[in-house]
Amino acid sequence: TQLLEQSPQFLSIQEGENLTVYCNSSSVFSSLQWYRQEPGEGPVLLVTVVTGGEVKKLKRLTFQFGDARKDSSLHITAAQPGDTGLYLCAGNWENYGGSQGNLIFGKGTKLSVKP
Amino acid sequence: EAGVAQSPRYKIIEKRQSVAFWCNPISGHATLYWYQQILGQGPKLLIQFQNNGVVDDSQLPKDRFSAERLKGVDSTLKIQPAKLEDSAVYLCASSLVGGGKRFFGPGTRLTVL
Repeated sequence: TQLLEQSPQFLSIQEGENLTVYCNSSSVFSSLQWYRQEPGEGPVLLVTVVTGGEVKKLKRLTFQFGDARKDSSLHITAAQPGDTGLYLCAGNWENYGGSQGNLIFGKGTKLSVKP
Repeated sequence: EAGVAQSPRYKIIEKRQSVAFWCNPISGHATLYWYQQILGQGPKLLIQFQNNGVVDDSQLPKDRFSAERLKGVDSTLKIQPAKLEDSAVYLCASSLVGGGKRFFGPGTRLTVL
């Protein structure tokens, strides 16, 4: 059972376009993180959201956390080739029995931005 | 500040052979994690250490996988014997405290033939 669903799985766009990727769960998150992973590298943390309805911005990236804390989205404005990578969301759940450190990762959205 | 170091970066072995991976976390980070990332999947936690003690190894296949962090700094992850389905990238991460911001290493890509 996949606790955390990400969509779309793949996304290929032209430079300058906008895009949104999604992360959903049937359970309420305690907190949610977004990472970007480039080929041959480990994931790098972009943002952590904790409060329902929270919006965070990181340059051209906008992160939203759903009011019910079951979903999140990442919006990129005017995408650039340097945005290419695998975008992973990872969450902790209120009722999950794992350890404090056990973030559950989604399968990711593989983004390709062409010049 | 130096990041998380891992070696080797790549390893190819045949099934039933043994393999070991090494990780050196960021200096001062008490918590160390080993993740397995199969192609097309997100990372899955195998084991979490707090200093030299195991916090969570519930998803570690203990019949073939072992890990240690003897002096609370470096760590090794071993697979013995390897199976085809162990082909994956093995990521090491560290954080100052358990559940804190994780810093990932570049990973070791293992191919089992």
